[in-house]
Amino acid sequence: DAGITQSPRHKVTETGTPVTLRCHQTENHRYMYWYRQDPGHGLRLIHYSYGVKDTDKGEVSDGYSVSRSKTEDFLLTLESATSSQTSVYFCAISDGLALEQYFGPGTRLTVT
Amino acid sequence: KQEVTQIPAALSVPEGENLVLNCSFTDSAIYNLQWFRQDPGKGLTSLLLIQSSQREQTSGRLNASLDKSSGRSTLYIAASQPGDSATYLCAVTHSGNTPLVFGKGTRLSVIA
Repeated sequence: DAGITQSPRHKVTETGTPVTLRCHQTENHRYMYWYRQDPGHGLRLIHYSYGVKDTDKGEVSDGYSVSRSKTEDFLLTLESATSSQTSVYFCAISDGLALEQYFGPGTRLTVT
Repeated sequence: KQEVTQIPAALSVPEGENLVLNCSFTDSAIYNLQWFRQDPGKGLTSLLLIQSSQREQTSGRLNASLDKSSGRSTLYIAASQPGDSATYLCAVTHSGNTPLVFGKGTRLSVIA
């Protein structure tokens, strides 16, 4: 998976609790992305980062926040998880916004 | 808003057959197009990236073509094998400064 790890790989949490997912890369790529993948919707971009402390919103950013304090780490936070945020979350990296993207193994999140 | 469509959603073929997967996009002013493969429960693996100025790209038994003016791309798989069974996704970016927009994928089953 091109030096990308995601943690945790699986998580079950209750509605209303905060959740943080971590993406870690060893490739020193500038761009990092968070996607969610749902049946019937495909892969949708939540947020992305183009450098340390530089982030931008994607198509489905409501209810999510991100932080990037180091080149290698990109955190996705659900401040108060809802059942609609049950999904598989993928992190990806690239050297440029329009260059080849490499994906992590995914995190399966269930909000009960 | 760019929309990417992949038809059919699922395809089953016998081993050894040559096959074509289709991808169409509504805004022909793309920067590049990427094809990915996703195995069940895994992240995405980049297969081919075609720049807007290119007509095709080849990697082994895979050949991707791009007809920007008609808003179409095809992924040709020669001599299919059971190991090719996976979901294939295409994605486009509108410029060097915009994120990828994904199709929902075609689930391919190659039957031995």
